[in-house]
Amino acid sequence: DVKVTQSSRYLVKRTGEKVFLECVQDMDHENMFWYRQDPGLGLRLIYFSYDVKMKEKGDIPEGYSVSREKKERFSLILESASTNQTSMYLCASSALDSPDQPQHFGDGTRLSIL
Amino acid sequence: GESVGLHLPTLSVQEGDNSIINCAYSNSASDYFIWYKQESGKGPQFIIDIRSNMDKRQGQRVTVLLNKTVKHLSLQIAATQPGDSAVYFCAETLNYGQNFVFGPGTRLSVLP
Repeated sequence: DVKVTQSSRYLVKRTGEKVFLECVQDMDHENMFWYRQDPGLGLRLIYFSYDVKMKEKGDIPEGYSVSREKKERFSLILESASTNQTSMYLCASSALDSPDQPQHFGDGTRLSIL
Repeated sequence: GESVGLHLPTLSVQEGDNSIINCAYSNSASDYFIWYKQESGKGPQFIIDIRSNMDKRQGQRVTVLLNKTVKHLSLQIAATQPGDSAVYFCAETLNYGQNFVFGPGTRLSVLP
């Protein structure tokens, strides 16, 4: 089974802090994704990556950056956290080698910015 | 556990009954669809998928129906069990790509 692990389940930070959310997958997947999930809304894509050191903006990249130094690890960075970034953050991964591939998700990090 | 969505439509069914969860998707050109299940405090879990060249696909206790004419996707769960209680949401994509659009979800509540 695919295992996507997010390093923290709950995180509380203060406004202005630099925040790192880490995600690791163990299936040698090329694709990795960061989403945020807010009540009543669908998952919204922040950033994704198709390969090491490669990144693409999703639908809501403002205020975020990412890092993919190794294939198995994809980090989401909040450069200067703000209260509107309080949310559930979900990491996902999928394989590149098949045209229709479901994304496999981690259990999420619930981030609160005070 | 944490609630995934506080303002989601809710479907309540008796244990043992069949459940039907609906999703209206947005893009008539979408060609690949997925249903996910998200239990409280957990990430979304893949349930079943369907390509646009099919109108029905069955899994274990689950069936997905696709009606491209009206851009409608449904998930049927047979003999609903307490462990089926969760938020269910659909996802669609174009050209079998990875840029999925996710629906807001429906909360399924199974009554004893």
